[in-house]
Amino acid sequence: GQSLEQPSEVTAVEGAIVQINCTYQTSGFYGLSWYQQHDGGAPTFLSYNALDGLEETGRFSSFLSRSDSYGYLLLQELQMKDSASYFCAGRNRDDKIIFGKGTRLHILP
Amino acid sequence: GAGVSQSPSNKVTEKGKDVELRCDPISGHTALYWYRQSLGQGLEFLIYFQGNSAPDKSGLPSDRFSAERTGGSVSTLTIQRTQQEDSAVYLCATTASHSYNEQFFGPGTRLTVL
Repeated sequence: GQSLEQPSEVTAVEGAIVQINCTYQTSGFYGLSWYQQHDGGAPTFLSYNALDGLEETGRFSSFLSRSDSYGYLLLQELQMKDSASYFCAGRNRDDKIIFGKGTRLHILP
Repeated sequence: GAGVSQSPSNKVTEKGKDVELRCDPISGHTALYWYRQSLGQGLEFLIYFQGNSAPDKSGLPSDRFSAERTGGSVSTLTIQRTQQEDSAVYLCATTASHSYNEQFFGPGTRLTVL
């Protein structure tokens, strides 16, 4: 089967760095994507890793290790507006996109 | 508009009634996905379309759920004989053929079954 596992909640302090992990059990996922969703809003795309390594986009970075079926989203210089749910997602060879259950990020002042 | 649109934004219905949810994709986006999200939960995959074809219907919860897409554009998700457990936000997302890994989501339809 195909599934992605994430911690349900993470708490961090404003200005700090936080890492949200994602592990997946499947064969044939074509990379890993990350989405952010604020309460009451729709998910918005953050980043995508097709190959192993780190992708950086401003304060957010995403990492993928295909051999370990593992990735993470790194958020730096946390701001209160980063309080949201974060989802990892994988696309299989048939273009079906599956999401993890999401990680709720709580930021303390 | 430039984004994915969904209608209605909110739908309240009585148990046993049929409902139809609509998704208008970004022009030219070939793939269209339907997800369901209950309060505070993750995104549950329902079905997706490549053009007008649905290669994978495995996520549909029961035979009360059906979906179609016409002209490679608008899609409708129909729920027959609604039940209270169908209450959720139904999200539509589309992707461009050159960037399947970036989905653009609509604002969702909040369905409440009384």
